[in-house]
Parts: sequence; C-alpha cells; structure tokens
Amino acid sequence: AQTVTQSQPEMSVQEAETVTLSCTYDTSESDYYLFWYKQPPSRQMILVIRQEAYKQQNATENRFSVNFQKAAKSFSLKISDSQLGDAAMYFCAYRRVFGSSNTGKLIFGQGTTLQVKP
Amino acid sequence: DAMVIQNPRYQVTQFGKPVTLSCSQTLNHNVMYWYQQKSSQAPKLLFHYYDKDFNNEADTPDNFQSRRPNTSFCFLDIRSPGLGDAAMYLCATSRMGSYNEQFFGPGTRLTVL
Repeated sequence: AQTVTQSQPEMSVQEAETVTLSCTYDTSESDYYLFWYKQPPSRQMILVIRQEAYKQQNATENRFSVNFQKAAKSFSLKISDSQLGDAAMYFCAYRRVFGSSNTGKLIFGQGTTLQVKP
Repeated sequence: DAMVIQNPRYQVTQFGKPVTLSCSQTLNHNVMYWYQQKSSQAPKLLFHYYDKDFNNEADTPDNFQSRRPNTSFCFLDIRSPGLGDAAMYLCATSRMGSYNEQFFGPGTRLTVL
C-alpha cells in the first residue's frame, strides 16, 4: 500500500520570503502522480501543482514549484514570494495510474499548516 | 461557473438519527468521490462512483452508504450516526484519468449530538 508522509505539522514564513514544505511517500510502483493541494480555512481544497512520476522535469506554476526526487521518493513544494493568501493547510497527495483495478483515489499526507506573517 | 456544490454546509444531527448529505456538480465529470476529513487530519476516501459503478473502500463502515441517481448528483447517507462520525465530508469530482485534477466542494461539516 502507498503511504504519504508530511513531517512538518506547521510552518511559518515571512511575507515575500520563500518556504519549502516537505513530503515523502512510499510506493513500489514506477508510474504514478503526485499533487499538492491547498485548503484555506473554511474554504474548499484547490489544486496547487501536480507532477507525473515519469517526467524528470520539476513542475512549476507561477510562484509554486516542486523538487521531485523519484529515487528518494521525495516531493517538496517551494513557495516563492509568499503572500498572505498562501496561508492554508497544504496536503501532499499520491495517485495511482487510473485503471480497472484501482479507484483513482488520492492518498493524502497529514497536512502542513502554513502561516504567513506580515 | 462550473463547480461542485455541497448542501448543507453545516448539518447537526442526533446520535443514531439518519442523515443525508448531498453533492452536485456542473462539470459533467464521470467520477465522484466522498471523503471524510476529521479535524486537522487528512481526507480519507469513503467511496466513489465511476459513472454508475460504485466502489467502496474496504475500511468504510457499513453505516455509510451512497447513491448517485444521475451524473450530476451524489448523496452520502449515514444510517445511524455516532459521535465518531462528526467530521467534514468532502465531495470531489474528476474526469477519468490519474492526471486529471479532482475538484472539491466546500464540504459539509457534520455535528453529532
């Protein structure tokens, strides 16, 4: 079974600074997908960034980028130029390749609460 | 705007009194998911529908049931809520394919008295 671990329950960053959230996972599969989701307080969860395991190039979305280390099974999220609106709980998630024998479900880590200080 | 809608946003029920949570989507996605998220924890999948095919997670209690009468709507029924079922219930939708994003609704917070 696949597992996802986020070892930082809470992180804080000064506005305009850079912060990195850690995520490790365990799997025996070679092909899969990884996601970072953001859940602001009392608001719905939204996708921040995603990465296909077969791609060596790290995904980037504006101020958000990942450091994907497949051999180490590590998938960290870097937020540059942090803004007050980035304050939220961030979940790392793993998804198996969609197929007849699996549900396509997301397996989430425990989450990291990010505080952004003005 | 296309979206995932959950009603009600807040639901209070009594111990043992059946409750139904609803989810609707305007995205025309063929997959719909129900997650349970307890306070400060990761969401945990209860079950999902791929079109009309129902897929139950192995550890989902029998107390939880689901219905999907059409593409747009999906319901979560809790037959006899216990105190341990108090949680946020998240509905999500997706097109088929692992690369595709899951779109989440705002959730229904269930309180059991």
